[in-house]
Amino acid sequence: QVQVKQWGAGLLKPSETLSLTCAVYGGSLSGYHWSWIRQPPGKGLEWIGEINHSGTTNYNPSLKSRVTISVDTSKNQFSLRLNSVTAADTAVYYCARGPYNYGLWGQGTLVTVSP
Amino acid sequence: DIQMTQSPSSLSASVGDRVTITCRASQDISTYLNWYQQTPGKAPKLLIYAASRLQSGVPSRFSGSGSGTDFTLTISSLQPEDFATYYCQQSYSTPRTFGQGTKVEIK
Repeated sequence: QVQVKQWGAGLLKPSETLSLTCAVYGGSLSGYHWSWIRQPPGKGLEWIGEINHSGTTNYNPSLKSRVTISVDTSKNQFSLRLNSVTAADTAVYYCARGPYNYGLWGQGTLVTVSP
Repeated sequence: DIQMTQSPSSLSASVGDRVTITCRASQDISTYLNWYQQTPGKAPKLLIYAASRLQSGVPSRFSGSGSGTDFTLTISSLQPEDFATYYCQQSYSTPRTFGQGTKVEIK
């Protein structure tokens, strides 16, 4: 059974860089797009972007200038970096398997941005 | 970006009720529409994909319909475990976008 597990720093100061990693167990990165999606506390879901096993990316234009998604096929992992964070970036961040629907999700990581 | 609008934003219902949630896209998305259920503290769970296809393991009381711009999620007989927030999501184009959510509460 394929699983995804994610990890990364949960408390950041403004202007720092958010860094999260998601590992895929029991399956391959190939054939799917691997996405990052976030959810501010009490709010809805926002798609951040995606990457395939070849490293081709798509980003949400609203975050594109600050976001980098990368893949490490040797470790079966993919990662998210978000630069220059502010309080508005406080959210639960999820990794998920796409591209057309998200039937497999990581457990979520709460990232709080506070001075 | 394609805007997804759900209605209602919240509803109160009783166990056994039939519940309908609608989702409207700002442009034609064919049947590139998915539905998710989310309970507090958990990741969303895929219920319906491609507008009407039931995800494996999801109870048959959940159904989806629609195409183009208007879509519906129906729960035929609400069960206690169905009290949650429901989201629609379009997969027609990037950026993928979600509706704002519909919270189903106990009456």
